[in-house]
Amino acid sequence: EAGVTQFPSHSVIEKGQTVTLRCDPISGHDNLYWYRRVMGKEIKFLLHFVKESKQDESGMPNNRFLAERTGGTYSTLKVQPAELEDSGVYFCASSQGISQGVQYFGPGTRLTVL
Amino acid sequence: LAKTTQPISMDSYEGQEVNITCSHNNIATNDYITWYQQFPSQGPRFIIQGYKTKVTNEVASLFIPADRKSSTLSLPRVSLSDTAVYYCLVEDQAGTALIFGKGTTLSVSS
Repeated sequence: EAGVTQFPSHSVIEKGQTVTLRCDPISGHDNLYWYRRVMGKEIKFLLHFVKESKQDESGMPNNRFLAERTGGTYSTLKVQPAELEDSGVYFCASSQGISQGVQYFGPGTRLTVL
Repeated sequence: LAKTTQPISMDSYEGQEVNITCSHNNIATNDYITWYQQFPSQGPRFIIQGYKTKVTNEVASLFIPADRKSSTLSLPRVSLSDTAVYYCLVEDQAGTALIFGKGTTLSVSS
């Protein structure tokens, strides 16, 4: 069974540009989560999808971040315009609908904003 | 804020048993205790989960006392490849967001 995949693995952009991160969850997983780790900090929750609906987006830092999950399969996280403080590693995770809370993480996308 | 407290780092030699203890004094009745492992440049990976007493799988054992205010992850006979950050989390079954603390950085040397 394929795991959670993320694309790209690393992105380097300039301040003010737009970047879109993609996450493909494990097939059949209704729950999809985005997290990020900013340099030197803990991994922080961003938002949670159940199928195509946003269940919890309390962790989204501001309106420069837009997450979508059309069709309830893959998800994208767009940062527009990117700022220096957005640099970090963005993780995606997925879980089954009635799991015991076990989330399966992707390898992450390292975003560097110059 | 993380709901758990664990050592910042631990060192061990190959072949030793490593025990990492986590405190979660305010654990709720519905909370499970879950441990994740993270290698550099990878996402966290589920290791083990338990509610009470003892759970064992092919990777580790998890010991949880009756009051559930702490838990201990036990890694038998560690190898160099067990060098990683280990996170202890408490969470309910509702599929909610995971709250990560700083984790314990385990360094295994030969």
